[in-house]
Amino acid sequence: GAGVSQSPSNKVTEKGKDVELRCDPISGHTALYWYRQSLGQGLEFLIYFQGNSAPDKSGLPSDRFSAERTGGSVSTLTIQRTQQEDSAVYLCASSLDGVGETQYFGPGTRLLVL
Amino acid sequence: GQNIDQPTEMTATEGAIVQINCTYQTSGFNGLFWYQQHAGEAPTFLSYNVLDGLEEKGRFSSFLSRSKGYSYLLLKELQMKDSASYLCAVPRGSYIPTFGRGTSLIVHP
Repeated sequence: GAGVSQSPSNKVTEKGKDVELRCDPISGHTALYWYRQSLGQGLEFLIYFQGNSAPDKSGLPSDRFSAERTGGSVSTLTIQRTQQEDSAVYLCASSLDGVGETQYFGPGTRLLVL
Repeated sequence: GQNIDQPTEMTATEGAIVQINCTYQTSGFNGLFWYQQHAGEAPTFLSYNVLDGLEEKGRFSSFLSRSKGYSYLLLKELQMKDSASYLCAVPRGSYIPTFGRGTSLIVHP
């Protein structure tokens, strides 16, 4: 079956521009996570969606970052006024219901802010 | 809070056995995950331990001691394709995994 997909796979943008990253989770998975991974670093949690509950935004590094999940499926991570330190791989993962469940990761979006 | 510690890098020889350790401190425990991540790729699930003891899955085994806040991943009969980063993760609360920085394993002939 189809796994988690993300688009675009690569994004180069200029400092100050806004970017939108998309994630399509596995069908039927109610939990969706966004992470950021900088070169040589571990995975940094950004935001978590579970069903219709309010998202856990505790990992978002600043108010320039926001995310939404429409219809309990597709999610979009938006970074406004990008900065060079935003350059990283942004990974999306989904799991069946989020409680101790295995996460399935998408291939990631490699963001480079010039 | 969470604190997860793993060695940064390890090297091993093809055909050998390697043990990758992970220690953690957490206010509540909901299991421990191991993921494998090849360079330039997304992490993939290897194992999940919630009870003490060793769980074997082919060439890979994972061990957990909750009282010691300790886990290890054991890789047997190493192959070149096992060269990757191995991530230890502990859920914060019931659903948000906190990942260690990962251990980069280099397997050489």
